[in-house]
Amino acid sequence: GESVGLHLPTLSVQEGDNSIINCAYSNSASDYFIWYKQESGKGPQFIIDIRSNMDKRQGQRVTVLLNKTVKHLSLQIAATQPGDSAVYFCAENRDETSGSRLTFGEGTQLTVNP
Amino acid sequence: NAGVTQTPKFQVLKTGQSMTLQCAQDMNHEYMSWYRQDPGMGLRLIHYSVGAGITDQGEVPNGYNVSRSTTEDFPLRLLSAAPSQTSVYFCASSLGRAGELFFGEGSRLTVL
Repeated sequence: GESVGLHLPTLSVQEGDNSIINCAYSNSASDYFIWYKQESGKGPQFIIDIRSNMDKRQGQRVTVLLNKTVKHLSLQIAATQPGDSAVYFCAENRDETSGSRLTFGEGTQLTVNP
Repeated sequence: NAGVTQTPKFQVLKTGQSMTLQCAQDMNHEYMSWYRQDPGMGLRLIHYSVGAGITDQGEVPNGYNVSRSTTEDFPLRLLSAAPSQTSVYFCASSLGRAGELFFGEGSRLTVL
């Protein structure tokens, strides 16, 4: 399953499928990007990050891809599990000197069907 | 290791009342920030601090004050609450300037 565009807030996939969550960022000067996962009633949790000098970074079951040409970020989750159901946010750091000043996207609700 | 601790978890206020949301971290992080989360709008930065004694405004600072007298604590004050401030508030901290943010569990505020 794949989400497209900024304004598709939900993505529904079958357990075991791969998920792709997309995000467009606005500032070409942003140099650091993070994906966060937020489960219901909890604070966001770090998943994976990538700096602008990289195109791809892999973690455990997750991969982040960065396309600076079109200012696009994606999160790929392999073999999606019910525990992956959550809202996923991309965030960009627009100001290196300010610290803790990440700007968040609107989020995508991922639902994994058993 | 408690991480980032926010209190209270829930609060109901009447318009015009004041209150303080508390935030404490035990990771010796220099950078702390407050976000609010509203439905369909993601997280928006209210205020942030790059170290004790230093604070600055974020995207939506109006109606909120902060101070940073110690590295550990970063309280958020609402001087005169308004219904538009009904939201879920998250405090976060990070070690480096552009590093991973660690979030608290959130404080749900309702202003009647």
